[in-house]
Amino acid sequence: EVQLVESGGGLVQPGGSLRLSCAASGFTFNSYAMTWVRQAPGKGLEWVSAISGSGGTTYYADSVKGRFTISRDNSKNTLYLQMSSLRAEDTAVYYCGSGNFGTKKFDYWGQGTLVTVSS
Amino acid sequence: QTVVTQEPSFSVSPGGTVTLTCGLSSGSVSTNYYPTWYQQTAGQAPRTLIYSTDTRSSGVPDRFSGSILGNKAALTITGAQADDESDYYCVLYMGSGIWVFGGGTKLTVL
Repeated sequence: EVQLVESGGGLVQPGGSLRLSCAASGFTFNSYAMTWVRQAPGKGLEWVSAISGSGGTTYYADSVKGRFTISRDNSKNTLYLQMSSLRAEDTAVYYCGSGNFGTKKFDYWGQGTLVTVSS
Repeated sequence: QTVVTQEPSFSVSPGGTVTLTCGLSSGSVSTNYYPTWYQQTAGQAPRTLIYSTDTRSSGVPDRFSGSILGNKAALTITGAQADDESDYYCVLYMGSGIWVFGGGTKLTVL
């Protein structure tokens, strides 16, 4: 059974940093692309970033480019999102997802971790 | 910047059929955008329904189907059930490693 478990969320001050993790199990982690998607309170889903199975290719939404870094450790079956220069508008539940760049789909999702940016 | 458009809300009667759409503020949606549809119930993670326009994800009942209708992607739910009451999101692949979600449609079954 595919399982994705996010962690690392919490309260951080504007301008601060936070690193999210997503522990994966139940599939061959390094064979799958991974993504981060977020959802601000009461709002819709927003795609944030994606990374290839090898980690060699990364993509970012304009809203986070230059501030967020996606990475993965295939030896630990773990995906990361390093977030810096955080803003109030980054407040959201962050979901990690697994998928396939070929079909452009991400089909398994974790339960999310809440990031709150506030002073 | 291209915006992905969805109806903010829709209602359907139990047992009825509803078609939700996913368009672009400029241009037409085609299979080249790999339309994907997600269902999300309040407080839950997204559930993948349809990917690559019309392929049902594993375990998704055939009451859910995807297509291109005119210049938009479409999600059709036939025989609507009470537990279909959810938010539905489409996402389009814009090329160059960029995905963009629509604003979502809140579906009410009543």
